[in-house]
Amino acid sequence: DAMVIQNPRYQVTQFGKPVTLSCSQTLNHNVMYWYQQKSSQAPKLLFHYYDKDFNNEADTPDNFQSRRPNTSFCFLDIRSPGLGDAAMYLCATSRERGGARELFFGEGSRLTVL
Amino acid sequence: GEDVEQSLFLSVREGDSSVINCTYTDSSSTYLYWYKQEPGAGLQLLTYIFSNMDMKQDQRLTVLLNKKDKHLSLRIADTQTGDSAIYFCAESNGKGDDKIIFGKGTRLHILP
Repeated sequence: DAMVIQNPRYQVTQFGKPVTLSCSQTLNHNVMYWYQQKSSQAPKLLFHYYDKDFNNEADTPDNFQSRRPNTSFCFLDIRSPGLGDAAMYLCATSRERGGARELFFGEGSRLTVL
Repeated sequence: GEDVEQSLFLSVREGDSSVINCTYTDSSSTYLYWYKQEPGAGLQLLTYIFSNMDMKQDQRLTVLLNKKDKHLSLRIADTQTGDSAIYFCAESNGKGDDKIIFGKGTRLHILP
């Protein structure tokens, strides 16, 4: 059974129209991550939550926000999507930060911006 | 900054060995990982190696690490059609709130 579930798998939005992607986990992991992956590019970390503590990467645009209302759920909000935000968005979890750790990934949400 | 480089494509005949290479720049990398992504699925951890090791073997998988050259490789023996996937090299320095840095992934194509 899937342990990290992302919805929707495919999202089409118009330029400037806000979009929310969701991620849920059944692993009870402390850490949840959002990565952006463009075609033939490396997954790029946008931010992560360690429990309720939000950690933004320095180069993540202000257009991207995140919420983690409880342990199981984490949301990625894109306030005003531009054409350059079209990508696959990957959610991942890990039990803890630091050390050797396994990231558990969802199947991703592919965002298209028209 | 940290960077992880790998070639984008590799074609191998079924039954042969596949060798996927990766180089990284961060000399403080402590853990080096290989993730596999099958079509339509999320990335899944295959194996990892600690930087004080130079080899790790797990069934058909062999990981070799040359720390001096910052070079990591993944060898898949007796490559099967089910090995067709994208393989991502990744590294982290293992400290408190470190991040895992991924390469662009190598797409492994199996020839009949």
